[in-house]
Amino acid sequence: KNQVEQSPQSLIILEGKNCTLQCNYTVSPFSNLRWYKQDTGRGPVSLTIMTFSENTKSNGRYTATLDADTKQSSLHITASQLSDSASYICVVSARGYNKLIFGAGTRLAVHP
Amino acid sequence: DTEVTQTPKHLVMGMTNKKSLKCEQHMGHRAMYWYKQKAKKPPELMFVYSYEKLSINESVPSRFSPECPNSSLLNLHLHALQPEDSALYLCASSQVDMGITSYNEQFFGPGTRLTVL
Repeated sequence: KNQVEQSPQSLIILEGKNCTLQCNYTVSPFSNLRWYKQDTGRGPVSLTIMTFSENTKSNGRYTATLDADTKQSSLHITASQLSDSASYICVVSARGYNKLIFGAGTRLAVHP
Repeated sequence: DTEVTQTPKHLVMGMTNKKSLKCEQHMGHRAMYWYKQKAKKPPELMFVYSYEKLSINESVPSRFSPECPNSSLLNLHLHALQPEDSALYLCASSQVDMGITSYNEQFFGPGTRLTVL
């Protein structure tokens, strides 16, 4: 069964600190993995998209890694800001399967 | 223009009302999507249009009726909804050339917050 699991469910950090969010998937055949940021009541915004041949991809203070062998991905946020408070959703696409598989998301709260 | 717009932002309707949600994009994308998202849950796919033709219907009740009048517009017509249909309705679009969901970035709109009384 194609599944995407994220941890932790929620996370509180202080402004300026770093954090890492985890994503494990059991999706086959794997096509690509995306990280989205979603503010409350808003649509998701893409942060990164990676295929199996890409190990790491950065977007400003966001760095995503992908280990296609262990089927794990992480999203590292550096020097967090209050505006980073949001849900971060890991989404995986399978080849030949016309549907994105969404994780439940990690809710991040950055406190001053 | 890399934006997907949705109107209205908020909608409150009774169970006997008929209303429509609208979505528009001018990125030349030929795939457009409707998702439903309940609080603290990930988005759930409802419909996919590819080249203005309905290609995926995720067994959505007939009280939701999608329409794609042209390559830039996507509507969702609502009729006789139930209170449990209250949710954030998201529209998204993407290119189709590499397959609907293979590698093409999906751009999401801000959503319409629907409340059914």
